[in-house]
Amino acid sequence: AAGVIQSPRHLIKEKRETATLKCYPIPRHDTVYWYQQGPGQDPQFLISFYEKMQSDKGSIPDRFSAQQFSDYHSELNMSSLELGDSALYFCASSLVGSGNTIYFGEGSWLTVV
Amino acid sequence: GQQVMQIPQYQHVQEGEDFTTYCNSSTTLSNIQWYKQRPGGHPVFLIQLVKSGEVKKQKRLTFQFGEAKKNSSLHITATQTTDVGTYFCAGGAQKLVFGQGTRLTINP
Repeated sequence: AAGVIQSPRHLIKEKRETATLKCYPIPRHDTVYWYQQGPGQDPQFLISFYEKMQSDKGSIPDRFSAQQFSDYHSELNMSSLELGDSALYFCASSLVGSGNTIYFGEGSWLTVV
Repeated sequence: GQQVMQIPQYQHVQEGEDFTTYCNSSTTLSNIQWYKQRPGGHPVFLIQLVKSGEVKKQKRLTFQFGEAKKNSSLHITATQTTDVGTYFCAGGAQKLVFGQGTRLTINP
């Protein structure tokens, strides 16, 4: 079965640079989530989209923005990167009405140097 | 805001011993989900509990949802080395709020 696809899997950026992460949800899923997981930490909710509209916002810094496109893929844009942004970024998707089970992608490792 | 607390943070057991992790929410949950994350991997959905007092089993894993729908537990009977990983509970209606996770390590 198709899973959540994230790219790139690994990314190295310098401080103050910009990074963009992409996510392709499971086909027919209508909700996309972004989570940030620091080393040894639990996943922290950043933002979610339902049917291409932002549905909820968590601890997403103002330097970050995200959107969901007409084909339901989503992008997380991170600007003015800081060392503390180094983390594993997960995208996840779900289908409303299916019990809200959330399926995670394999994550994108961002290292800021 | 909603908080989900999970204990213990770490658990080391001998292979064959049982393991339990507990999850408590500051608010009543509509449902609770459990995930397993292997080292270097991504959270993988294990199960969802919806009903008050619900108990579900998956082979050696037993999941419980409290009567007040504010706490949950995951119990593994006779652990195996393949059970190694971090177990997260998560609850929430629109966005999942994760507990801090319990990292399980096993001595073979």
